[in-house]
Amino acid sequence: NAGVTQTPKFRVLKTGQSMTLLCAQDMNHEYMYWYRQDPGMGLRLIHYSVGEGTTAKGEVPDGYNVSRLKKQNFLLGLESAAPSQTSVYFCASSPFGRWDGQPQHFGDGTRLSIL
Amino acid sequence: KQEVTQIPAALSVPEGENLVLNCSFTDSAIYNLQWFRQDPGKGLTSLLLIQSSQREQTSGRLNASLDKSSGRSTLYIAASQPGDSATYLCAVRGQAGTALIFGKGTTLSVSS
Repeated sequence: NAGVTQTPKFRVLKTGQSMTLLCAQDMNHEYMYWYRQDPGMGLRLIHYSVGEGTTAKGEVPDGYNVSRLKKQNFLLGLESAAPSQTSVYFCASSPFGRWDGQPQHFGDGTRLSIL
Repeated sequence: KQEVTQIPAALSVPEGENLVLNCSFTDSAIYNLQWFRQDPGKGLTSLLLIQSSQREQTSGRLNASLDKSSGRSTLYIAASQPGDSATYLCAVRGQAGTALIFGKGTTLSVSS
């Protein structure tokens, strides 16, 4: 029962570098989300997807891009990392339709530090 | 814009106490409400989910209630244990398919 898997778990970047965070789910969920968690701010939505090939902006989308080429994968990209993007990133998924009332499932997070 | 507030921000209790964590939200038009537990350095574990048509949900020593009209939810923990020490997060979903909006959490410490 893998659920939601995030890769990598930890990463340190230098300002200006780029990287991609990978989220994979094996529950055949339609919806996937990327959140960031910062001290004193709670979890905030970055981008989300309501199905393969779709993406939409959340509350704090600036500096990030996403892609959902396959239903099971949701990628979060940082094109030019900035220290303000130091955070813990969580991916989540949830089903669609008559299962929509089911809980969202979260990955274990990616801890990203940008120097 | 929906806002979720959790009070208190931190709580310390001795083992065995019954306790209540509070969550309030500004827009009563919610689809469901979810309570999570987060251990330090870990991800989120779903504890209870209450649909908008429900008043409460129970799982073991946990009971969550929902009063949608007043914009409030409570998480009741009976006979607290040191293993209950964690941060508890409340989150609401505005409508089907949308993302959760989180409170900032209540950090609980249960001493033996």
